[in-house]
Amino acid sequence: NAGVTQTPKFQVLKTGQSMTLQCAQDMNHNSMYWYRQDPGMGLRLIYYSASEGTTDKGEVPNGYNVSRLNKREFSLRLESAAPSQTSVYFCASRASDRGSGNTIYFGEGSWLTVV
Amino acid sequence: QQQVKQSPQSLIVQKGGISIINCAYENTAFDYFPWYQQFPGKGPALLIAIRPDVSEKKEGRFTISFNKSAKQFSLHIMDSQPGDSATYFCAASANFGNEKLTFGTGTRLTIIP
Repeated sequence: NAGVTQTPKFQVLKTGQSMTLQCAQDMNHNSMYWYRQDPGMGLRLIYYSASEGTTDKGEVPNGYNVSRLNKREFSLRLESAAPSQTSVYFCASRASDRGSGNTIYFGEGSWLTVV
Repeated sequence: QQQVKQSPQSLIVQKGGISIINCAYENTAFDYFPWYQQFPGKGPALLIAIRPDVSEKKEGRFTISFNKSAKQFSLHIMDSQPGDSATYFCAASANFGNEKLTFGTGTRLTIIP
């Protein structure tokens, strides 16, 4: 029962470098999300995908891009990393089926430091 | 604009005591209010959730109290245990949870012996 799997767990980037955070879920969920967590700020939604082939901006999308590669996978890309993007990133998924409940399942997080 | 306000930011409670965390929301379209629990180094996990057709929901030692007119809801942890030490997030969503969640800023709870 893997649930939501994120890679990498830890990453240090230099300002201006690019990288992609990978996320996969094995629960056959329709909706997937990327959040960032910062001290005193809670969890803020970066991008989400309500279904395969669709993506939408959340609260804090600037500096990020996403790809919903297929139903299982939803990646987050930083094209030119900035120190303000130092954060813990969480991928999450939800069934989006009224019969399956409203629970969002989170991955274990990716700690990203931009120096 | 913060749509869900959570307090306190941190809380220390003695073992066996009652831990209370409060949240207030602004958007009257919200109709699904979950609480998530997060241990260090882990992702948040659903603890308990309530819909506004009831004023209280209890699961074991955890209770959500909901006040629709005041637009407030709270988490009560009875007989708090050291294993309850974690960060707690309230959240809210519209369309019975089928819209994206808006989270509070979190409360770090520490239970001391």
